[in-house]
Amino acid sequence: DQQVKQNSPSLSVQEGRISILNCDYTNSMFDYFLWYKKYPAEGPTFLISISSIKDKNEDGRFTVFLNKSAKHLSLHIVPSQPGDSAVYFCAASPGYNTDKLIFGTGTRLQVFP
Amino acid sequence: DADVTQTPRNRITKTGKRIMLECSQTKGHDRMYWYRQDPGLGLRLIYYSFDVKDINKGEISDGYSVSRQAQAKFSLSLESAIPNQTALYFCATSEAGGGNQPQHFGDGTRLSIL
Repeated sequence: DQQVKQNSPSLSVQEGRISILNCDYTNSMFDYFLWYKKYPAEGPTFLISISSIKDKNEDGRFTVFLNKSAKHLSLHIVPSQPGDSAVYFCAASPGYNTDKLIFGTGTRLQVFP
Repeated sequence: DADVTQTPRNRITKTGKRIMLECSQTKGHDRMYWYRQDPGLGLRLIYYSFDVKDINKGEISDGYSVSRQAQAKFSLSLESAIPNQTALYFCATSEAGGGNQPQHFGDGTRLSIL
């Protein structure tokens, strides 16, 4: 049973435009949500997170939105750059002092010139 | 992340062999994790350790064992490897403090079992 779902395996966006990556979850007990970026032959790197008590968190070109009623979060990248081309994983944590992360299956973003 | 080092980076072996994957970190974090990644399945937690004396099973621990030799070292063993353990394996570390603490990953070990 996949508790964290990324239903779009891939996304292609033109440089300068907005990239929107989506993630759905089923467990209302998740307290934190994190996004990781992964380049080929490298490990995932942390990008941005959001607490369940917030609905938005912004860091430079990256913004994460959380809709708890819909159990949905999204990552917006504006403007998109070719260096953003990577696989993006959404992850959720069940609660405070529980460091176990549950990952989605990932979305491959390609940003073309 | 060069602060989390996994060895070997690639390994090809045969069914039934014992395999050890090693992870070392210089971040000074207490918490360490082992994940495997399979195509279309994301990352799944195998084992995790909150300190040297603490070892916990993750989502898919069957067929694996771990050893936390020191704060900086966490190794994963496959006692008798089987082909469906072919995957990309990642080690990660984090500071204590809850689910909002990001985990820092090594670059992975690609393991193929023939």
